[in-house]
Amino acid sequence: GQQVMQIPQYQHVQEGEDFTTYCNSSTTLSNIQWYKQRPGGHPVFLIQLVKSGEVKKQKRLTFQFGEAKKNSSLHITATQTTDVGTYFCAATNTDKLIFGTGTRLQVFP
Amino acid sequence: NAGVTQTPKFQVLKTGQSMTLQCAQDMNHNSMYWYRQDPGMGLRLIYYSASEGTTDKGEVPNGYNVSRLNKREFSLRLESAAPSQTSVYFCASSGRDRGGELFFGEGSRLTVL
Repeated sequence: GQQVMQIPQYQHVQEGEDFTTYCNSSTTLSNIQWYKQRPGGHPVFLIQLVKSGEVKKQKRLTFQFGEAKKNSSLHITATQTTDVGTYFCAATNTDKLIFGTGTRLQVFP
Repeated sequence: NAGVTQTPKFQVLKTGQSMTLQCAQDMNHNSMYWYRQDPGMGLRLIYYSASEGTTDKGEVPNGYNVSRLNKREFSLRLESAAPSQTSVYFCASSGRDRGGELFFGEGSRLTVL
């Protein structure tokens, strides 16, 4: 079945540093979604990317979908302590959503 | 609107006991899902229901059964709990059958001794 690999598994940064997580698939994806899960919380939808090469921004967050639609990235500029959590990518496989393993971000003040 | 509501929030079972996790959504969504989350494993799909009256297996269905009772409710049953089923379980719903945004419940933390 379709697998979505996400790297890195963990990332510790100093507040103010940038952060990037990458999502890779061996197959072409129809779309990709990103979610954030705060410690002890539930995943919350951030964004969906559909088009090849698409770039979307939400304040300090930049999301990209690769030209071949096999990879995606989430970049956070100048991290803040409120960015702490686990970031998941998720890809559609027929009519279900398969999640990557997630990247846990820790931000030190 | 409550969104997606899961019960119970916490449960401790002994090996071999059975239990049902309940999930209800009030957003009139067609699709509902059950995921489990284990450290380092991300979210793995157990079962899903694309519409009322239909259910399908996900990535890790063994040891579980589901019932889509009506459009609002989707329950997950463990017939004979095993320690390997110790996990956090999330129910989610989606407004579109294929790849729509998922709304998650708060989660149910299950421990099997």
